[in-house]
Formats: sequence, structure tokens, C-alpha cells
Amino acid sequence: EAQVTQNPRYLITVTGKKLTVTCSQNMNHEYMSWYRQDPGLGLRQIYYSMNVEVTDKGDVPEGYKVSRKEKRNFPLILESPSPNQTSLYFCASRGNLNTEAFFGQGTRLTVV
Amino acid sequence: RKEVEQDPGPFNVPEGATVAFNCTYSNSASQSFFWYRQDCRKEPKLLMSVYSSGNEDGRFTAQLNRASQYISLLIRDSKLSDSATYLCVVISNNQAGTALIFGKGTTLSVSS
Repeated sequence: EAQVTQNPRYLITVTGKKLTVTCSQNMNHEYMSWYRQDPGLGLRQIYYSMNVEVTDKGDVPEGYKVSRKEKRNFPLILESPSPNQTSLYFCASRGNLNTEAFFGQGTRLTVV
Repeated sequence: RKEVEQDPGPFNVPEGATVAFNCTYSNSASQSFFWYRQDCRKEPKLLMSVYSSGNEDGRFTAQLNRASQYISLLIRDSKLSDSATYLCVVISNNQAGTALIFGKGTTLSVSS
């Protein structure tokens, strides 16, 4: 089954404790992205990747890092999480520039 | 002007009603258009792509008006299960490359 898989689904952590949210897709897609969704603000892109070893900042990259060492994986790293990074995070992939995106099930992160 | 704008609603309709959502976009060079459905705290899922000629999928009809830069979604014979948030999505070229731009969503509540 074609899918985008994120882990963990839920995470509560403390300020400053590094964490990684994993994302994997099995559709051989070149394009992958991370979004955060907050009430009243909609989906905002954090980082995106157009291929292996090619990543770039989206609209709200501060406080986040990503890597794309393999085509299928695109982890999101929070080196020093802060409470304002409490949010619902989605990973997405798409096959080419003009096609629809497929989303992971989301990760609900709470930073206390 | 925001890149993609939608009326947030909520639209409260009885079962069987016909309801229409509109979405406007600011970039006239936008290339691809979609409607996504998002249930509470879950991932967005593709409802339908939007083509210049208009397209229909069962009770759902999507239309694109490039001259006026808006997209519409019509839902006929509303069901309780149609209750969700509907996201308008546009693929545009901007400073960050070719990006998926999301509207903030329109909330639909169908009641019996």
C-alpha cells in the first residue's frame, strides 16, 4: 500500500531536549516536505526536499533541521525544542512538481 | 493579498443540502489546483484535482476560473459524513520554488 509513515504519532517532551520525527514514503517520490498546522494559521511549510541531499527552507524553518540521505526518508529534527513548537506536524511527499501531495498521519508534539 | 484565501465558515447545513465553497488565489501563474478534505486532527486527504474544464466525482463538482483566479467546490445532497474541513490547494512558483500553497480551510458541518 502506498503510504507516508510518520513516527511518533504523539510526543510530549521538555524544552531543550533534542528530538527527531521520522518520515518515510514507499512511493519513490522525489519531493518531500514538512508542515506544521496551528489553529487559525493553516498548514505552513517548514522545509522541503526536491531530491536526495537537496533540501531548502520553507516559510517557517527557524528551530528545525532536516536531512535527506535517502530518497524514502526525510526526518525532522528539533535540536532544542521550545514551547512555541508545540503543534501538529505533517510530512508529505509528491511524485513531481505538479501532482498532489500524500500526507503522513501527523505527529502531535507538545513541548513543556 | 494572501496567496490562497477561503471563507473559514463554518457552513452549517442540513442533510441533503447543496453547498458551495469558493477559493481565490493570487498568483496568476499557478499551475495545478486541488481540493483536500481534512477530518479533525487527521491528515489532509486528496478529494479531487481541479481541471480547467471542470470535473465531477459523484456528488462533488470542482471548477476552475483562471480569468478570475478562483476555484469552487460544489457538494450536492450533503451527508453527515461530509462534515470536515475542506482545503483549497494551489501549486505555484514562488521564491521558494514550486510550492504547494494551502488555504486555511472551510469548515462544513452537516446535521440531521
